Amino acid sequence: QSALTQPASVSGSPGQSITLSCTGTSSDIGAYNFVSWYQQFPDKAPKLIIYDVSRRPSGISDRFSGSKSGNTASLTISGLQAEDEAAYYCTSYSSTSPWVFGEGTKFTVL
Amino acid sequence: QVQLQESGPGLLKPSQTLSLTCTVSRGFINNGVYYWSWIRQKSGGGLEWIGYIFPNGATTYSTSLESRLSMSLDTSRSQFSLKLSSVTVADTAVYYCARSGLSPSTVDAWGRGTKVIVSS
Repeated sequence: QSALTQPASVSGSPGQSITLSCTGTSSDIGAYNFVSWYQQFPDKAPKLIIYDVSRRPSGISDRFSGSKSGNTASLTISGLQAEDEAAYYCTSYSSTSPWVFGEGTKFTVL
Repeated sequence: QVQLQESGPGLLKPSQTLSLTCTVSRGFINNGVYYWSWIRQKSGGGLEWIGYIFPNGATTYSTSLESRLSMSLDTSRSQFSLKLSSVTVADTAVYYCARSGLSPSTVDAWGRGTKVIVSS
């Protein structure tokens, strides 16, 4: 199955806001409101931070927010902190393959 | 808080069959709400969905792996398993078991992952 497209790397400064993009097609992101985002630290399992495009699981900071426009989903991290430095993966339900992941964005705090 | 733990051999030779088991604790494996997934991550790479199994035993597999893949569920032991046949070096990865069901294609609980190396 084709992966969703994410920028390989993004950086930002503490206190700023950044937006990570995730581009799919009309068969996945464009067709369903089932986009999730995961945060992963080195040698750790991923952690769910956003599901159903914009919903946050219990315990996830409201500094994380999600949105979608057309075939592109976005994750915004506001008030950047050093602890936000991690890899971020998007995923979407897909009509061609039930589940498709993004390639991941490595986010660095400057 | 549900916990998932993968177990299985860490080293295989090409052409062998990979067998992994995930033990679910502090949660019901067949409560009808959740289904159970396997996801892998190659070194330095992204996440790849392998497949999932529902409490009734129905399965859905990645099309790229389905010819070599089977999954099963043992509710009496709160375990679900993966078998991947004819492995190659390309199957070297960290394998995660996971819980899904909060929403389609969403994982709300992950195992810690188990490293599998395929080498001759």
